[in-house]
Amino acid sequence: QSVLTQPPSVSGAPGQTVIISCAGSRANIGAGYDVHWYQHLPGTPPKVIIYNDKDRPSGVPDRFSGSKSGTSASLAITGLQAEDEADYYCQSYDSTLGAWVFGGGTKLTAL
Amino acid sequence: DEQLVESGGGLVQPGGSLRLSCAASGFSFSSYEMTWVRQAPGKGLEWVSYIGIHDTYIYYADSVKGRFTISRDNGKNSLYLQMNNLKGEDTAIYYCARMHLNWFGPWGQGALVTVSS
Repeated sequence: QSVLTQPPSVSGAPGQTVIISCAGSRANIGAGYDVHWYQHLPGTPPKVIIYNDKDRPSGVPDRFSGSKSGTSASLAITGLQAEDEADYYCQSYDSTLGAWVFGGGTKLTAL
Repeated sequence: DEQLVESGGGLVQPGGSLRLSCAASGFSFSSYEMTWVRQAPGKGLEWVSYIGIHDTYIYYADSVKGRFTISRDNGKNSLYLQMNNLKGEDTAIYYCARMHLNWFGPWGQGALVTVSS
């Protein structure tokens, strides 16, 4: 059971918008700790695509955006492309556990 | 180019030990906090351990506390993870990653650790 809760899977047709949610608690997201998002393709290391809730590293398309409200965060992918198929993980810090924590991951399928 | 390369993975029997290394290049290793993250087969990412710039602060996940030891050699631009009393549930790909405040990147390619008799 992950501290941060994500849907196991989401899907969308090319060109559509998909949103991946990340539910936390007052010990992590709700405490004000930033949320970060990683894209993980098979056989490659995870790569940060959103950091500090909504910032994008250089090279990450602006089709990816992040937001946070209360104890939850979301990753939105607009104009879905086949190359976006991957596992996506949210990550934050939990003050009760004294640990960095990940969501269980969401498998994105482009239909 | 910033790069992290893990080594030292392999097959080990339950109760055995293994030491992972992570060689850093392309950035000032001694200026960054570092971490280990693992992914068990078919599972998600799990943070394992953190080390501050000068070993001042070291933290472990409860699942490895007392069995794993993180260390670094800034002169050799290297990060280490000594894993003792290994269990089947420690079977995973182990990634080293650089830390930026509370997020991780870049990551190494990973080292596979298999604990099995």
